[in-house]
Amino acid sequence: SSELTQPPSVSVSPGQTASITCSGDKLGDKYASWYQQKPGQSPVVVIYQDTKRPSGIPERFSGSNSGNTATLTISGTQAMDEADYYCQAWDSSSACVFGTGTKVTVL
Amino acid sequence: EVQLVESGGALVQPGGSLRLSCAASGFTFRSYAMNWVRQAPGKGLEWVSGISGSGAGTYYADSVKGRFIISRDNSKKMLYLQMNSLRAEDTAVYYCANDPTTVVTQRSYFDSWGQGTLVTVSS
Repeated sequence: SSELTQPPSVSVSPGQTASITCSGDKLGDKYASWYQQKPGQSPVVVIYQDTKRPSGIPERFSGSNSGNTATLTISGTQAMDEADYYCQAWDSSSACVFGTGTKVTVL
Repeated sequence: EVQLVESGGALVQPGGSLRLSCAASGFTFRSYAMNWVRQAPGKGLEWVSGISGSGAGTYYADSVKGRFIISRDNSKKMLYLQMNSLRAEDTAVYYCANDPTTVVTQRSYFDSWGQGTLVTVSS
């Protein structure tokens, strides 16, 4: 099955932009989704099908996907955005893969 | 309001079996594919298995293929995971999650998640 690689950690100052990458072979040919998980809580989808934002998710969350890399961007990052983030995609054999996860720290 | 409530987690010995359940409410259950995702202590998310809305299509991660069986009862709005030949590496919190695409496809994603149930495999 395919692998999705994320940076282990990203640090960002409040109000600045955080970008989290997710790399995988021909990922741009698939749909990428992103999940936020805070300590002790279940994951929450923040972006699905590359760019779509579920109702209730702030507009500061956006996504893109091209080539071998999908990117989650958090604009105007707030302290409440501090969490672990995981990308996810399905490979051609109907198996789902999650990324390695990125811890976002708001300094 | 969508609710997914997992149950059945327990301490089990290596080689043993366990059946997890997930009770769903607040959405048209038969119209959603359903999945199990697990998270080992201090580790990342790992997809375990998925099933289409009708139950006709089932999918498994290589790590559980041949040992786990996913099923659903649409009349009861229940999702199940039968776990056999359990190993220490199966120790994790198991989440059920719904997928608004009725059939598992490349467009599938996990919309709502339960609170999880802990499975510990140890002697």
